[in-house]
Amino acid sequence: KAGVTQTPRYLIKTRGQQVTLSCSPISGHRSVSWYQQTPGQGLQFLFEYFSETQRNKGNFPGRFSGRQFSNSRSEMNVSTLELGDSALYLCASSLAPAAVNEQFFGPGTRLTVL
Amino acid sequence: QKEVEQDPGPLSVPEGAIVSLNCTYSNSAFQYFMWYRQYSRKGPELLMYTYSSGNKEDGRFTAQVDKSSKYISLFIRDSQPSDSATYLCAFQGGLTGGGNKLTFGTGTQLKVEL
Repeated sequence: KAGVTQTPRYLIKTRGQQVTLSCSPISGHRSVSWYQQTPGQGLQFLFEYFSETQRNKGNFPGRFSGRQFSNSRSEMNVSTLELGDSALYLCASSLAPAAVNEQFFGPGTRLTVL
Repeated sequence: QKEVEQDPGPLSVPEGAIVSLNCTYSNSAFQYFMWYRQYSRKGPELLMYTYSSGNKEDGRFTAQVDKSSKYISLFIRDSQPSDSATYLCAFQGGLTGGGNKLTFGTGTQLKVEL
């Protein structure tokens, strides 16, 4: 069974630009969560989607947004990029948003903001 | 006070050693306790999962939870060079609280040397 796929794998942008990252969950999984990983802060929860609805949101500014499509694929968008947004962005999918369901992570998108 | 504290390491041990990795947490709402392993340039993968105090064993890995002290540990017996990775503790609220949101420690980098 194919795992979680994220595109693109690497991205370089400049300050002020916007970026869209994509996540395709494992087939049959309907819940998608996004995390930001940096050396200083570690993995931090961004948001979670299930059935095209945002169920939970982390403590990030409004420049970070996301959405989920009817096929469960998800995108996240960061507008007005800042240097501090440089990070590995990870997507995780599970069958549904319940603690008993294992979350599977993709390889991440490495975003560098210059 | 951070919700989760984890010694960042790095930790370097000889092959065959017993490794002990630890996390403390402050949020009493956490009910599910996990350990993830993350290899370089990969997403985290779930190693161990438990929801009760006590020990849970899986092969060379033992997860220990002490809810009264808000302390979790991961023990690796007979460590191998292939265990070299970053180990992340992770916590999740109850079934009806927090959905799929995971709160992570910052990770401990482990190197097992021949």
